Amino acid sequence: DIVMTQSPDSLAVSLGERATINCKSSQSVIYSSNNKNYLAWYQQKPGQPPKLLISWASTRESGVPDRFSASGSGTEFTLTISSLQAEDVAVYYCQQYHSPPPTFGPGTKVEI
Amino acid sequence: EVQVVESGGGLVKPGGSLRLSCAASGFTFSSYSMTWVRQAPGKGLEWVSSISGSSTYIYYADSMKGRFTISRDNAKNSVYLQLNSLRAEDTAVYYCARGDYCSGGSCYMNYWGQGTLVTVSS
Repeated sequence: DIVMTQSPDSLAVSLGERATINCKSSQSVIYSSNNKNYLAWYQQKPGQPPKLLISWASTRESGVPDRFSASGSGTEFTLTISSLQAEDVAVYYCQQYHSPPPTFGPGTKVEI
Repeated sequence: EVQVVESGGGLVKPGGSLRLSCAASGFTFSSYSMTWVRQAPGKGLEWVSSISGSSTYIYYADSMKGRFTISRDNAKNSVYLQLNSLRAEDTAVYYCARGDYCSGGSCYMNYWGQGTLVTVSS
């Protein structure tokens, strides 16, 4: 199984400041046939289901604010919130869908 | 509007069984894989099982293989998860989600239900 790790476990960021979350996979999640990274990011607020933010490592889903951006390739990925808002307080998970079973990172808690 | 609604959770004794249901609407159900993901209290997300649109391909997490069974009824726009031989460690919120892109059973999920809580306790 591909093991996903995230860092940090949690971080506190002031309103309007940048938050950066890292995700690493134990093996590459890129397919050479299409050069796509099979990596997604989710946001989960307390008491709510996860919400898909990013697919294909860097493609923002419709309706996701542009302060959320993501990058990376192969085994190392980053989710950035450029200017943290109060409503961004949540746990963020990365997930690979390159190889079964799909696996999630342990999550990063973002607080104000 | 896409909607996914789970039901069927509850309190069950160790060794017992439960059947979870997931009703979907707002999209062509048979065209999408569906996935169950669970989350133990205060813990992270754990993939449970996925089923392709035509039920041709079914996948399970190793720890649940042989105990859980996924199925779907495209006529009813529903997917099910039969949970048998339940253990305390199966206590979790079980989410049903639509697989928007899947590669060999590994999907990313764009639409999630609110989840249904399964508690295994004597």
